[in-house]
Amino acid sequence: GQQLNQSPQSMFIQEGEDVSMNCTSSSIFNTWLWYKQDPGEGPVLLIALYKAGELTSNGRLTAQFGITRKDSFLNISASIPSDVGIYFCAGDQGAQKLVFGQGTRLTINP
Amino acid sequence: KAGVTQTPRYLIKTRGQQVTLSCSPISGHRSVSWYQQTPGQGLQFLFEYFSETQRNKGNFPGRFSGRQFSNSRSEMNVSTLELGDSALYLCASSERTLNTEAFFGQGTRLTVV
Repeated sequence: GQQLNQSPQSMFIQEGEDVSMNCTSSSIFNTWLWYKQDPGEGPVLLIALYKAGELTSNGRLTAQFGITRKDSFLNISASIPSDVGIYFCAGDQGAQKLVFGQGTRLTINP
Repeated sequence: KAGVTQTPRYLIKTRGQQVTLSCSPISGHRSVSWYQQTPGQGLQFLFEYFSETQRNKGNFPGRFSGRQFSNSRSEMNVSTLELGDSALYLCASSERTLNTEAFFGQGTRLTVV
């Protein structure tokens, strides 16, 4: 099925570093969502974006909805150990049917 | 508010059997969507129910079906299980307004042996 191109697939960083990941698509989306998933758990919604160009923050997390509506990025500043997990982007074309990226696995060295 | 509740958390079934998974959405949410998550295919949309009607469907065979009750609770059924059906099945609920915010349950881990 259709999927978003999410990169990087994995990241190994030191505690305190900033993190950046992004998603691109050949299709336009009305909504971009960013989720974090811990092992054995369901995805937890981090940030939702509804307008092209929108920049939204949630604590140390910042995400932007690309102007073309075909991409989005997520930044995490000053990473801490609990940021470890898999981050997913998801797009909705307006039909309540989310399309997901393959995920970015974040590992943090203390 | 209580979150999305999925039962059971874990399930082991034999090939050829059928299985029913349950999802209780967040109170007030009338839309329930189901997703399959596997290491190879990632998160794939199965179907969405709103007001007891299936509104959207993904590219899965007819062995996968679902329904929604008047209290918005939803069940998903898989018949004639295959080994490849082993996955984490996730349910998401939303208010189905113009702006989508879908909240996921913890999932049901199905293992087919």
